[in-house]
Amino acid sequence: EAGVVQSPRYKIIEKKQPVAFWCNPISGHNTLYWYLQNLGQGPELLIRYENEEAVDDSQLPKDRFSAERLKGVDSTLKIQPAELGDSAVYLCASSARLAGNEQFFGPGTRLTVL
Amino acid sequence: AQSVTQPDIHITVSEGASLELRCNYSYGATPYLFWYVQSPGQGLQLLLKYFSGDTLVQGIKGFEAEFKRSQSSFNLRKPSVHWSDAAEYFCAVVFSSNTGKLIFGQGTTLQVKP
Repeated sequence: EAGVVQSPRYKIIEKKQPVAFWCNPISGHNTLYWYLQNLGQGPELLIRYENEEAVDDSQLPKDRFSAERLKGVDSTLKIQPAELGDSAVYLCASSARLAGNEQFFGPGTRLTVL
Repeated sequence: AQSVTQPDIHITVSEGASLELRCNYSYGATPYLFWYVQSPGQGLQLLLKYFSGDTLVQGIKGFEAEFKRSQSSFNLRKPSVHWSDAAEYFCAVVFSSNTGKLIFGQGTTLQVKP
């Protein structure tokens, strides 16, 4: 069974440029998460989807961040415009059901903003 | 506020020695508890989890953890560390089964001396 797929693995951009990250969850997993992981820190939830509905986006900085999961399968996280402080690893995870909540993580996208 | 604390940022042990990584959490009710491991450039891999029942849980790679309600702790242990165990370890907690939101500790970096 394929795991959570994320692309790109690495991205270097200049500040004020837009950037997008893509995630394909494990087949059949209805719940999808985007996390932000700063260097030396644990991941922090940005947004959680149940199918195509964003059910928890309280930690998503909506002035510059947006996300979508149009068909309830893969998802895209966008930053526009990027700032220096956005340099971090962006992790995607998925789970089969909410209760029990074993989340399977992708390898992440490491973003560097210059 | 709901929080997870890993008091040790960095731990160094000799190969073959025993290991204990500490984790404490806030909140009174019994949460869902997890330990994840992250190798450089990799996503997080679940080592073990506790939902209910026996407070000593066994995981992969020879790891175990013990839930102590009175101490709000969920410490990770391994009797004999291997060089391949060098990685970042994260304790994570779901405080509400309604949201399934994972709260991570800041992580403990394990270094293994030959």
